[in-house]
Amino acid sequence: QLQLQESGPGLMQPSETLSLTCSVSGGSISSTNYCWGWFRQPPGKGLEWIGTKYHSGSTFYNPSLKSRVTISVDTSKNQFSLKLSSVTAADTAVYYCAKRSDGYKILRYFDLWGRGTLVTVSS
Amino acid sequence: DIQMTQSPSSLSASVGDRVTITCRASQDIINFLAWFRQKPGNAPEPLIYAASSLHSGVPPRFAGSGSGTDFTLTINSLQPEDFATYYCLQYNTYPLTFGGGTKIEI
Repeated sequence: QLQLQESGPGLMQPSETLSLTCSVSGGSISSTNYCWGWFRQPPGKGLEWIGTKYHSGSTFYNPSLKSRVTISVDTSKNQFSLKLSSVTAADTAVYYCAKRSDGYKILRYFDLWGRGTLVTVSS
Repeated sequence: DIQMTQSPSSLSASVGDRVTITCRASQDIINFLAWFRQKPGNAPEPLIYAASSLHSGVPPRFAGSGSGTDFTLTINSLQPEDFATYYCLQYNTYPLTFGGGTKIEI
């Protein structure tokens, strides 16, 4: 059974680059059946999509973050990563990784989520 | 971007009640809408996809309907674990966008 687990720094200083990893177990990140995504949720607020990575290598990002974000895949470690540059307090949030099908469009909702990791940006 | 307007933002209910949450899209998203339940401190859990299809393992007291711009999530006979926050997500067009959430309180 596929499972996702986020890992990250917890506490960061403003202007640093956030680096998060999502480890995939129970399946291969190279599978052509899946796409991988990142989401975030500031404390007490709603959900925001950050970006989606396709097995083909294509990536789609939220325009509000596009200039600062990169999603990449490391097949040797069976994990994918998020990098967010120049963080500020506004980037404080729980960050979730998730997986979705790359089949029929109706199935392209994110059907499996990690438990999330809290990242706090503070000086 | 497609704006998703969810209502109400909160509601009070009791175990056994039937509740309805609505989500309106700023443009036609056909039926590419999902609903999630989020319990405090937990990740979102998928409930419904394609507006009305039940995600695997989700109990049938959850039902989704709608198409185009107007969508509804109905929970029949609320259970204690249903007191949570619910979000809709449109996945028709990038950027993916969520509704603002509906918190169901006792």
